[in-house]
Amino acid sequence: AQSVAQPEDQVNVAEGNPLTVKCTYSVSGNPYLFWYVQYPNRGLQFLLKYITGDNLVKGSYGFEAEFNKSQTSFHLKKPSALVSDSALYFCAVRSHNYGQNFVFGPGTRLSVLP
Amino acid sequence: DSGVTQTPKHLITATGQRVTLRCSPRSGDLSVYWYQQSLDQGLQFLIQYYNGEERAKGNILERFSAQQFPDLHSELNLSSLELGDSALYFCASSVMARGGDEKLFFGSGTQLSVL
Repeated sequence: AQSVAQPEDQVNVAEGNPLTVKCTYSVSGNPYLFWYVQYPNRGLQFLLKYITGDNLVKGSYGFEAEFNKSQTSFHLKKPSALVSDSALYFCAVRSHNYGQNFVFGPGTRLSVLP
Repeated sequence: DSGVTQTPKHLITATGQRVTLRCSPRSGDLSVYWYQQSLDQGLQFLIQYYNGEERAKGNILERFSAQQFPDLHSELNLSSLELGDSALYFCASSVMARGGDEKLFFGSGTQLSVL
């Protein structure tokens, strides 16, 4: 079975500081990994994905994520946080195996303080 | 704007009633997914349709049903509503049916309140 854990409900960071939002996953076979962001009263928006290849993936709005196969992690990072980055962040996984669907983590609320 | 349209944005109804949520996918997208988002359950996958046919089923209650029409819009029907059905219901669409790396485009959701 597929599962995604986001161990932190809430992450607080000061504007201008680096941020990390953690994600670990469990999947049979190789994973496709995603990060989505949800702003208030909006649907989820795609940030970035890992398919294969380079473990460091760059996405929208200056975000990046690092795939670590041995630790089954896919942490989201940004070198310098903005107040406008404050939102709910979801990690998602999907197995390469046919028939498997997306599984989303519980979400992490990021608050960037001015 | 994701290009996915959901109506209505808000729905208030009473227990025992039936409602229909509507989703129009992005132009060209054949897959439609329905998700339920609540504070205690997070984002739960309900059901997926591809080009009019049911493709995958998740944690969808028997009181709930969905369909995708020839014009690719989809409807989620919720019946015998209970207080616990109050949630934000999202529709998402994508191009690919079985591909794992497909990107989902989400609508803004329908906020359902059951009183």
